[in-house]
Amino acid sequence: GAGVSQTPSNKVTEKGKYVELRCDPISGHTALYWYRQSLGQGPEFLIYFQGTGAADDSGLPNDRFFAVRPEGSVSTLKIQRTERGDSAVYLCASSLGLAGGINEQFFGPGTRLTVL
Amino acid sequence: AQSVTQPDIHITVSEGASLELRCNYSYGATPYLFWYVQSPGQGLQLLLKYFSGDTLVQGIKGFEAEFKRSQSSFNLRKPSVHWSDAAEYFCAVGPPFTTSGTYKYIFGTGTRLKVLA
Repeated sequence: GAGVSQTPSNKVTEKGKYVELRCDPISGHTALYWYRQSLGQGPEFLIYFQGTGAADDSGLPNDRFFAVRPEGSVSTLKIQRTERGDSAVYLCASSLGLAGGINEQFFGPGTRLTVL
Repeated sequence: AQSVTQPDIHITVSEGASLELRCNYSYGATPYLFWYVQSPGQGLQLLLKYFSGDTLVQGIKGFEAEFKRSQSSFNLRKPSVHWSDAAEYFCAVGPPFTTSGTYKYIFGTGTRLKVLA
């Protein structure tokens, strides 16, 4: 079946603009994660959804970042008033999300965000 | 604090040579352990994982890794490297259990592998 997909693959924007990044998880996966990977770094956790609710948003750097998953499937990461420091690859992952289970995460190809 | 350390930022090996990539972790309990590979423009691909049991785990593409509890290490190995193995490799840890339900991974900073023909 299809893997995790993310759109767009690349996004270039100007400082101060608003952007939306989309993630389409594997069908049937209830858990969805967003990570951010800055140049030369490993991915860093941003937020986790179980179903429609954000169960853990402890990784969001500030209130300019927000994510939704209104129907428990597709998720959108929203960044307001973008700054040059937001430039990174944003990765989405999904897993079955079974409580107490082994929740292997499957990653999408990422969206490369460049803020000029 | 929970962390993953990959002490080698870059490694260069000749094709056909053996490879070992190091990974050390700091965690409250024995975590689940993963190795991912990332090629340019590609997403993270899981090479192998350790949850419990046999400490030597086999993965895809001829890779293996050994979990050593006493050293808090999970080093990745390959007996004979191919040119197509050139990529960036990430070690990651995840919680073996959670009270919050969040299975967030903690990644190392990665090791970039270069393969000489």
